[in-house]
Amino acid sequence: EDKVVQSPLSLVVHEGDTVTLNCSYEVTNFRSLLWYKQEKKAPTFLFMLTSSGIEKKSGRLSSILDKKELSSILNITATQTGDSAIYLCAPFGNEKLTFGTGTRLTIIP
Amino acid sequence: DTGVSQDPRHKITKRGQNVTFRCDPISEHNRLYWYRQTLGQGPEFLTYFQNEAQLEKSRLLSDRFSAERPKGSFSTLEIQRTEQGDSAMYLCASSGAGTVYFGYTFGSGTRLTVV
Repeated sequence: EDKVVQSPLSLVVHEGDTVTLNCSYEVTNFRSLLWYKQEKKAPTFLFMLTSSGIEKKSGRLSSILDKKELSSILNITATQTGDSAIYLCAPFGNEKLTFGTGTRLTIIP
Repeated sequence: DTGVSQDPRHKITKRGQNVTFRCDPISEHNRLYWYRQTLGQGPEFLTYFQNEAQLEKSRLLSDRFSAERPKGSFSTLEIQRTEQGDSAMYLCASSGAGTVYFGYTFGSGTRLTVV
């Protein structure tokens, strides 16, 4: 059975801090790994990672995949209150995404 | 509208009633997925279609759940004899054949409350 584990489950930091969110996975026929941000509605796409060791960046967010370790990290630097959300990791395998439980990030002003 | 549409946005129903949700994918997308998300959990896969063919169903989908995509366009998800445990957000997503690895475009979801 496909499995995705995210850590920590919850994280509370002050505005301006840097955070690292972790994702480990066991997925059959792995093709890629996606990160999503979810506030009160549906998840919104952040990154897709297909190759190990190549960092993807978007503003203050960056992510990298380690296919050998079956893991990925999402970094957010200089956090802002608007970064408060649930961050979901989802490997793509067997023609579908399998989601982790997510990391709930809370940024204190 | 170029996004994925779901209807209704909210549904409150009494236990034992049947409910049906609708999803309209992005028009050029041939894949359509249904997920269920309960509080504190990530979305859980329910089923997916490629065109009108239902290719996979999760074991989460009991006999009370059924999904259709009769003409390969919109899809419906029906829950019969609803139970309180069915209360959740039901998410629909679509993707195109050429972008299947890129990730889905999600709709806003239908929030079901069973009382």
